[in-house]
Amino acid sequence: DQQVKQNSPSLSVQEGRISILNCDYTNSMFDYFLWYKKYPAEGPTFLISISSIKDKNEDGRFTVFLNKSAKHLSLHIVPSQPGDSAVYFCAASKEFKQLTFGSGTQLTVLP
Amino acid sequence: NAGVTQTPKFRILKIGQSMTLQCTQDMNHNYMYWYRQDPGMGLKLIYYSVGAGITDKGEVPNGYNVSRSTTEDFPLRLELAAPSQTSVYFCASSYPPVARGRGQDGYTFGSGTRLTVV
Repeated sequence: DQQVKQNSPSLSVQEGRISILNCDYTNSMFDYFLWYKKYPAEGPTFLISISSIKDKNEDGRFTVFLNKSAKHLSLHIVPSQPGDSAVYFCAASKEFKQLTFGSGTQLTVLP
Repeated sequence: NAGVTQTPKFRILKIGQSMTLQCTQDMNHNYMYWYRQDPGMGLKLIYYSVGAGITDKGEVPNGYNVSRSTTEDFPLRLELAAPSQTSVYFCASSYPPVARGRGQDGYTFGSGTRLTVV
């Protein structure tokens, strides 16, 4: 029973364009959401987070949007750069408990 | 500042052998975690610890054991290796979750241990 789902295993975008990575969750008790980025042979690194009391959080080129009614989370990267090519994991938690991760989306930014 | 260090990076085990995956962090984080990542799957929580002397099971604890005698170290033990334990193992640490939103967000992960059981 996957509580956090990333239905697109891969995504390719042109350099300079927008990348949109999507994440759906089933547990309405989740109250905190995060995105992690992972390069090959490295551990995931924290990218951006959002609390369930907000619907948007920005950090430079990265923006996370939360639609609680749809139980949907998205990460926008604008403009996309070749160095953004990595696997992106969505994660969620409830009541300060451990993170539940999605299966990841491989983003490839083409020069 | 080394962050989270995992050793070894790679290991091949025979069925039935045992081994310990080492994890140490130098950030004085109370919370530590062990995850495994299988191909095409997300990270699954094996065990976690909220402080020295305190450990608890995660989603997939069978076949593993942990201990937490110090704040810095959180080793993961495989007693009787099975092919189903072939995976990439990640250790992570964090501040207590209540620190979220105060500039102390997220987990810090190690670079992983790739384990193959044959």
